[in-house]
Amino acid sequence: DQQVKQNSPSLSVQEGRISILNCDYTNSMFDYFLWYKKYPAEGPTFLISISSIKDKNEDGRFTVFLNKSAKHLSLHIVPSQPGDSAVYFCAASADSGYSTLTFGKGTMLLVSP
Amino acid sequence: EAGVAQSPRYKIIEKRQSVAFWCNPISGHATLYWYQQILGQGPKLLIQFQNNGVVDDSQLPKDRFSAERLKGVDSTLKIQPAKLEDSAVYLCASSRTGKTYNEQFFGPGTRLTVL
Repeated sequence: DQQVKQNSPSLSVQEGRISILNCDYTNSMFDYFLWYKKYPAEGPTFLISISSIKDKNEDGRFTVFLNKSAKHLSLHIVPSQPGDSAVYFCAASADSGYSTLTFGKGTMLLVSP
Repeated sequence: EAGVAQSPRYKIIEKRQSVAFWCNPISGHATLYWYQQILGQGPKLLIQFQNNGVVDDSQLPKDRFSAERLKGVDSTLKIQPAKLEDSAVYLCASSRTGKTYNEQFFGPGTRLTVL
């Protein structure tokens, strides 16, 4: 039973354009969401997060949107750069003390020059 | 500040053999995590330590996997005996506390191939 779903295994975007990565979740107890970025042969690195009390969080070129009623979040990258090419993982947590992260399968983003 | 260190980076073994992985978290981080990432999947938490105590090991296959974190610093993850389906990247992560809003820092992982 996949509680965090990233239905697009891959996404190709041209440099300068917007990249939109989507994530859906099924567990209504999740109230904290994170995006991680992973390059080959490296561990994931934290990118941006959002609490369920917000519907938007921005950090430079990266914005995460949360739609709680639809149990959907998305990561927008504007403008996309070739260095953004990586696998992006959506993760969720139910903040109950020492909570754990549940990850999606990831979306591979390829930004071409 | 030094990141999370893991060794070895790669390991190839035959099924039914034993294997151990080592992790050194970021200095001062109380919480340590071991994840298993099978090809094409996201990381799945195996075990979470708070200092040297286990907080969550609900997804650890305890018949063959074991982990310890002596003295609340370094940790080892062992598989004995290994099965073909254990082929995966094993990621270690640490965070300052176990709270969700504290970023988890990941090591580079150990890629295990079981033949």
